[in-house]
Amino acid sequence: QVQLQESGPGLVKPSETLSLTCTVSGDSFSNYFWTWIRQPPGKGLEWIGYIHHSGSTTYNPSLKSRLTISVDTSKNQFSLKVNSVTAADTAVYFCARDLGAATFDYWGQGTLVTVSS
Amino acid sequence: QSALTQPPSASGSPGQSVTISCTGTSSDVGGYNYVSWYQQHPGKAPKLIIYNVSKRPSGVPDRFSGSKSGNTASLTVSGLQAEDEADYYCSSYAGSNRVFGGGTKLTVL
Repeated sequence: QVQLQESGPGLVKPSETLSLTCTVSGDSFSNYFWTWIRQPPGKGLEWIGYIHHSGSTTYNPSLKSRLTISVDTSKNQFSLKVNSVTAADTAVYFCARDLGAATFDYWGQGTLVTVSS
Repeated sequence: QSALTQPPSASGSPGQSVTISCTGTSSDVGGYNYVSWYQQHPGKAPKLIIYNVSKRPSGVPDRFSGSKSGNTASLTVSGLQAEDEADYYCSSYAGSNRVFGGGTKLTVL
């Protein structure tokens, strides 16, 4: 059974960098698109971007300038960094596995990140 | 890229059927047969219920079905049950990107 678990600080100050890690168990990284998705409180889902097991990345164009997604295959982890955060980045952040073509079959439980001084 | 358009709410009585639409463009929904649907209960992670427009993952009841016509995809929930009350989101492949709909809150009356 594939499991994903997000980890990272729950509180980040404005203008600083949000950093999260997703640990994957029960499967290898091969041939999937490891994805970050976020959901502001009371709002809908927003696709952030993914990293392929090969290391190639694709980001949401509206966030691209502030994003970095990386992978550590030795630890079965992938990570998200969002620079220069504002209150608008406050959200529950989910990591998920994309089989390809927007099929997110496994999700982490989500972690709330609040941007506040 | 813009979010796909879903109605904010839908409702039906137990046993009835309800259909939720998801409208995009020829660059996403209309351009590929790669639309998926997710069910999200409060405080939980979304759950995949339909992929590739109309396929159901193992374990998802056949009360859930999907279809597509042009730039609009649809999710139909037949034989509504109380546990179907949740938020539903569509998602589409859009070339290298992916895009979600704004979500529909389904109420079972």
